[in-house]
Amino acid sequence: KQEVTQIPAALSVPEGENLVLNCSFTDSAIYNLQWFRQDPGKGLTSLLLIQSSQREQTSGRLNASLDKSSGRSTLYIAASQPGDSATYLCAVSRGSGTYKYIFGTGTRLKVLA
Amino acid sequence: DGGITQSPKYLFRKEGQNVTLSCEQNLNHDAMYWYRQDPGQGLRLIYYSQIVNDFQKGDIAEGYSVSREKKESFPLTVTSAQKNPTAFYLCASSASANTEAFFGQGTRLTVV
Repeated sequence: KQEVTQIPAALSVPEGENLVLNCSFTDSAIYNLQWFRQDPGKGLTSLLLIQSSQREQTSGRLNASLDKSSGRSTLYIAASQPGDSATYLCAVSRGSGTYKYIFGTGTRLKVLA
Repeated sequence: DGGITQSPKYLFRKEGQNVTLSCEQNLNHDAMYWYRQDPGQGLRLIYYSQIVNDFQKGDIAEGYSVSREKKESFPLTVTSAQKNPTAFYLCASSASANTEAFFGQGTRLTVV
């Protein structure tokens, strides 16, 4: 059974710091992995989608990497800003042609001004 | 503006009542989903629909029902059979399987 873990559950950093958020999954047979951002009381905003054949994806200050063999993905945020404060979730698909994703519980990030 | 609209934002239900949560999308996506989010837990899939007039149970479908009569709409009914309905409900859509998912802003349901 696929399990997705995000550690730490919460993280506080000073503004300007580069940081890495982690996502681990137990079954390496994934089709793709998606990173989301969630502000308090709001829905999820898609940040990056990495296909299983890709090693990384970049969007602005965000860079997501995927290592299927080790069951890990990282989300790198460069030059963090207070506006980056939110909960970050990762989700892995269960296989080709599937509509089902398994979500981690998220990392709550606070960037201090 | 393309996107997913959920309504209402807040909903209060008395015990024993059925309530329906609305989800509409104008992204022309075939697939739509309903998730439930509880504190300290990941999102859990309630139902999903691959195409109009078709839907499948997710991991926690008991006490819920859906319909997909139009491509744009995927309403969720929380029935009185759902024992613990207080939660944050999120609707999502995607073009097809394994493609990027887009979410609405959620509906917070509270049983009073």
